[in-house]
Amino acid sequence: SQKIEQNSEALNIQEGKTATLTCNYTNYSPAYLQWYRQDPGRGPVFLLLIRENEKEKRKERLKVTFDTTLKQSLFHITASQPADSATYLCALPSLRSSASKIIFGSGTRLSIRP
Amino acid sequence: DVKVTQSSRYLVKRTGEKVFLECVQDMDHENMFWYRQDPGLGLRLIYFSYDVKMKEKGDIPEGYSVSREKKERFSLILESASTNQTSMYLCASSRLSNQPQHFGDGTRLSIL
Repeated sequence: SQKIEQNSEALNIQEGKTATLTCNYTNYSPAYLQWYRQDPGRGPVFLLLIRENEKEKRKERLKVTFDTTLKQSLFHITASQPADSATYLCALPSLRSSASKIIFGSGTRLSIRP
Repeated sequence: DVKVTQSSRYLVKRTGEKVFLECVQDMDHENMFWYRQDPGLGLRLIYFSYDVKMKEKGDIPEGYSVSREKKERFSLILESASTNQTSMYLCASSRLSNQPQHFGDGTRLSIL
């Protein structure tokens, strides 16, 4: 069965630096990949979707890459701010045909210190 | 903006009770989902629905059932609550299969 791994449970970095979070997957080739942000006590909020034929996608200070050879996505936050502190989840469709189900990674808790 | 509303933020029930968690979305989305989220286990799909009166089991359906009588409303039912169902329950909706999911803020359910 497919498996998603996010590189670490927690990541602490200095304000102003670039935060890089990793999402690795195994055993299949997803048609797309999504990233979500979750704040404590709240539901996840969608950030970005990248498709298999896209190498990179940007939204303001966010950048996502998708390497289908390495089976990996990288999520970057440039010029990080304390307000970026949250848990970030990657998610993949459960089937090659992009069915309704998606599978979430367990998340990386990012802390940006002033 | 899409709004997904869950009926309660916090709920305390006793073992053996039948528990209903309600979720309403206001954007005419086809798909609706129920997840539970536990520390170290992440988000796990319980059930989802792709149309009115249609439902499919997710990864952990045991002990749960669902109801979707109207497009905007998706209910999760714990038939006989047990302590191992203490968790954060999250409802989500999406327009199509490969579209982003929009989440409610969750119901933190405690079964005593």
